[in-house]
Amino acid sequence: SQTIHQWPATLVQPVGSPLSLECTVEGTSNPNLYWYRQAAGRGLQLLFYSVGIGQISSEVPQNLSASRPQDRQFILSSKKLLLSDSGFYLCAWRTGRNYGYTFGSGTRLTVV
Amino acid sequence: SQQGEEDPQALSIQEGENATMNCSYKTSINNLQWYRQNSGRGLVHLILIRSNEREKHSGRLRVTLDTSKKSSSLLITASRAADTASYFCATDTTGKLIFGQGTTLQVKP
Repeated sequence: SQTIHQWPATLVQPVGSPLSLECTVEGTSNPNLYWYRQAAGRGLQLLFYSVGIGQISSEVPQNLSASRPQDRQFILSSKKLLLSDSGFYLCAWRTGRNYGYTFGSGTRLTVV
Repeated sequence: SQQGEEDPQALSIQEGENATMNCSYKTSINNLQWYRQNSGRGLVHLILIRSNEREKHSGRLRVTLDTSKKSSSLLITASRAADTASYFCATDTTGKLIFGQGTTLQVKP
């Protein structure tokens, strides 16, 4: 079966600290992978997407970066967190056009 | 960037009533999708309607798409308390899914 794993579920980090969020997909190959961020009470903002290993497209210039070291692994990183990086981060994947996206359970990041 | 706009932002109904949520978007699309999010959880895909389709059903859900008006609606019939959640429309354009701000639905038992 196809599943998506995202961890950790919650994270509290001080301003200026680094960040690494990991997302892995099982049961599929060559998926399109996505990172979204959701502010409290708001819709989802697309941050990065990847159509293959090493291929990253950035949607919003900011303090974050993404990498795809393996086909089914997508990592969101920051060298120095800002207060504005707080939010709910969601990883998602899909196998092709006209297919729905499958979302992970999300990571709630609070930068203090 | 946000493309979809949902209306209303919040909706409160009694169990058994129907709930209708609307979504408008700005550019041409490949398909439009509706998602549900329970508080603090990830999103769950509900239904996808392609740009050449006008209506689609899935259980108690009915989705319509009017590409000439760039709008879509989601109808939930015979609502249940368990339908309480936020509902988002999202447009698939050039391989990226862009979400609206969502409609918060409360179904009172």
